[in-house]
Amino acid sequence: KNEVEQSPQNLTAQEGEFITINCSYSVGISALHWLQQHPGGGIVSLFMLSSGKKKHGRLIATINIQEKHSSLHITASHPRDSAVYICAVRFQGAQKLVFGQGTRLTINP
Amino acid sequence: EAGVTQSPTHLIKTRGQQATLRCSPISGHTSVYWYQQALGLGLQFLLWYDEGEERNRGNFPPRFSGRQFPNYSSELNVNALELEDSALYLCASSRRGAAEAFFGQGTRLTVV
Repeated sequence: KNEVEQSPQNLTAQEGEFITINCSYSVGISALHWLQQHPGGGIVSLFMLSSGKKKHGRLIATINIQEKHSSLHITASHPRDSAVYICAVRFQGAQKLVFGQGTRLTINP
Repeated sequence: EAGVTQSPTHLIKTRGQQATLRCSPISGHTSVYWYQQALGLGLQFLLWYDEGEERNRGNFPPRFSGRQFPNYSSELNVNALELEDSALYLCASSRRGAAEAFFGQGTRLTVV
């Protein structure tokens, strides 16, 4: 069964802390997306990964294909990083994306 | 280059009415995907269109339908609206067979 699990479901941290959000999936994939959803619902695509690591500003995404696991890291977190972060996976042989349930991140000043 | 655009951004309808949501993909993208995010739930796959044809649909009733036009833009139609259809409807586009998808900002449908 093609499943995607994220952890934690909710995460509250203080400004400046290093944040890690995890995503595990069940079978082989062709791509994994990390998305950010702010209150109001608009979704922004942060990264698309099929291997290795990507970095954009304070955000870093890594993927371990053998372990079927990806992490999203935020360095020097800021209250404006508060959002829901969603992992979405395209399984091999499939076109549609399967989404994790999301991680609600709250960064307090 | 314009991204994926969806319209309207917000839509309020009465139970029993029909709603039409629109999506324009990125130029050169032939695949359009529709997803639903109901309140308190994760994103669920609704429909996939490519080259004008419906290629796959998720576990939704036939009241959810759509089409893709020759310019690859797409409409999602929801007939006989029910209160539980209130959700964010997200459109994404990609090149055929490409792994990377690009997302619109979504249409928030409220059924009252």
